[in-house]
Amino acid sequence: DTAVSQTPKYLVTQMGNDKSIKCEQNLGHDTMYWYKQDSKKFLKIMFSYNNKELIINETVPNRFSPKSPDKAHLNLHINSLELGDSAVYFCASSQERGRRGTDTQYFGPGTRLTVL
Amino acid sequence: GDSVTQMEGPVTLSEEAFLTINCTYTATGYPSLFWYVQYPGEGLQLLLKATKADDKGSNKGFEATYRKETTSFHLEKGSVQVSDSAVYFCALSVNTGRRALTFGSGTRLQVQP
Repeated sequence: DTAVSQTPKYLVTQMGNDKSIKCEQNLGHDTMYWYKQDSKKFLKIMFSYNNKELIINETVPNRFSPKSPDKAHLNLHINSLELGDSAVYFCASSQERGRRGTDTQYFGPGTRLTVL
Repeated sequence: GDSVTQMEGPVTLSEEAFLTINCTYTATGYPSLFWYVQYPGEGLQLLLKATKADDKGSNKGFEATYRKETTSFHLEKGSVQVSDSAVYFCALSVNTGRRALTFGSGTRLQVQP
């Protein structure tokens, strides 16, 4: 009954490879996010989807491509991996409340990506 | 743009000591404020939140009050335990359509027995 789940938990790969991280939420939320946490623990938004529509696309290399097949899933595909992509990637979800703002964001356990 | 500033860590305390972690913010709109906690090797968990001025969020003995006049949301706990050792993140979210969380840099708390 995990609320926000991510797979895999650990991902070790070589430079130049293409990899995907999957995220699923069973909270019935309509908005999902990807955040990146660097080696100094700093967290920054990468993407956000609301009802399968991209609403935030921060300054992220276009090697990163999010895909939302439905409201409960938001996957992150990364092409041509680089050393600097090594980080922990967190998925999150929330429920939009219109003019009342956004409800609390719930985070997945994270995926630690190591690029060798 | 929006930003959150937290005190630098690590903060090292003895068990049962009083904890304060300072957090101040700048925001273009009227933000909601959050404290998240990350235990070693785990993801982020919401610790507490406040959505309007003078609201006090509280959970597990932790408290923070939304101070609009000083743009602050300081985290406090009267008596810390070893199990409170973690990284604490202050964050904000503004209702301007963007709605992503803007995080502070995190403060590592180490509690010694």
